[in-house]
Amino acid sequence: AQSVTQPDIHITVSEGASLELRCNYSYGATPYLFWYVQSPGQGLQLLLKYFSGDTLVQGIKGFEAEFKRSQSSFNLRKPSVHWSDAAEYFCAVGAPGDTDKLIFGTGTRLQVFP
Amino acid sequence: GAGVSQSPSNKVTEKGKDVELRCDPISGHTALYWYRQSLGQGLEFLIYFQGNSAPDKSGLPSDRFSAERTGGSVSTLTIQRTQQEDSAVYLCASSPLSSGELFFGEGSRLTVL
Repeated sequence: AQSVTQPDIHITVSEGASLELRCNYSYGATPYLFWYVQSPGQGLQLLLKYFSGDTLVQGIKGFEAEFKRSQSSFNLRKPSVHWSDAAEYFCAVGAPGDTDKLIFGTGTRLQVFP
Repeated sequence: GAGVSQSPSNKVTEKGKDVELRCDPISGHTALYWYRQSLGQGLEFLIYFQGNSAPDKSGLPSDRFSAERTGGSVSTLTIQRTQQEDSAVYLCASSPLSSGELFFGEGSRLTVL
């Protein structure tokens, strides 16, 4: 069965600092991988997705993520965090050819200090 | 805007009552999903509709939960005989066919007293 682990429940960074949010998955093959962001009072929004090809994917708002098969990871990164990035971030996994039912991690809450 | 719309945004009910939560997906999206978001639990898949196919109900936690989608558009999630553990935010999402990108509504927060 597919599963997703986000080991960090809460992360605090200073504005302008770099950011890496961890995501590990369990799946028998290479899954489809996603990062979503949930800003306060808003619905979840897709940041980026990986289906195949280049293992470094670019998303919106300056985010990127790297798929590492050997580590079963899909960590989200941003070189310089802005105060508006404070939100909850969810990693999700879907089965190739059947992305219809995404399995989400428990989320990482990001707090940004000025 | 033309996003996913959910109602009510907040619902407080007494234990044992039935509740209905509504979702209006984005026009033209064939797939519709319900997830439940509880504190510290992430998003729990409940049910998925795709076109005229039979829904995937594998995530419904008990037979008190049911959902329907009328005319391939609006969906209603019904919880019968609510329990306190049903308290959560219920999220609806829609998607173009198997795109992997889900468009979420802002959710319906259910509180069972």
